[in-house]
Amino acid sequence: AQSVTQLGSHVSVSEGALVLLRCNYSSSVPPYLFWYVQYPNQGLQLLLKYTTGATLVKGINGFEAEFKKSETSFHLTKPSAHMSDAAEYFCAVNLHASGGSYIPTFGRGTSLIVHP
Amino acid sequence: DGGITQSPKYLFRKEGQNVTLSCEQNLNHDAMYWYRQDPGQGLRLIYYSQIVNDFQKGDIAEGYSVSREKKESFPLTVTSAQKNPTAFYLCASSRGEGSGNQPQHFGDGTRLSIL
Repeated sequence: AQSVTQLGSHVSVSEGALVLLRCNYSSSVPPYLFWYVQYPNQGLQLLLKYTTGATLVKGINGFEAEFKKSETSFHLTKPSAHMSDAAEYFCAVNLHASGGSYIPTFGRGTSLIVHP
Repeated sequence: DGGITQSPKYLFRKEGQNVTLSCEQNLNHDAMYWYRQDPGQGLRLIYYSQIVNDFQKGDIAEGYSVSREKKESFPLTVTSAQKNPTAFYLCASSRGEGSGNQPQHFGDGTRLSIL
């Protein structure tokens, strides 16, 4: 089973509309969850992360995500889309590896398209 | 400012040739990673290193090699054994062992193409 699954390879919204990008994780993984954004021909940038504490996490650029253990979900939202939000978004989890280390594992990504 | 530098930004490989992609970080991170990105496939882990002079294979290590002689540097060699090397390659770093709550920091990538 996938450790992290992103539903929908493409999401299209109108400018000003709600953005919802879905991410579900395997219940066997430790609760270290991340969202990253990637603009064309660039590396990934951290949007936000959940490790412990408050389950509603606020990130940069007006994005937020809620950790829901009962639903094994960590969906990313933004109340009002802007043209500059058009990018690829990745959900990620840090998995236990040998020797006490952690290996990041990424979902396949969701491309956000914003229409004027 | 601290960060990760990948070079070159674009690279071309001839048949039968090995090429090396550079990755340098000044974040004082212990762990470094190499990913390959193909359209629609997300990021796939090639190699990672949690400490100097030690590294492990990721999911798609065949046809690639790495070294970690210095904390700051983690070069990736794409060998002639890698038959489909055309891709976008990303280097990342993070704080080391026991830091499952730490995010990764990424370079801006190297795009490798076949001549």
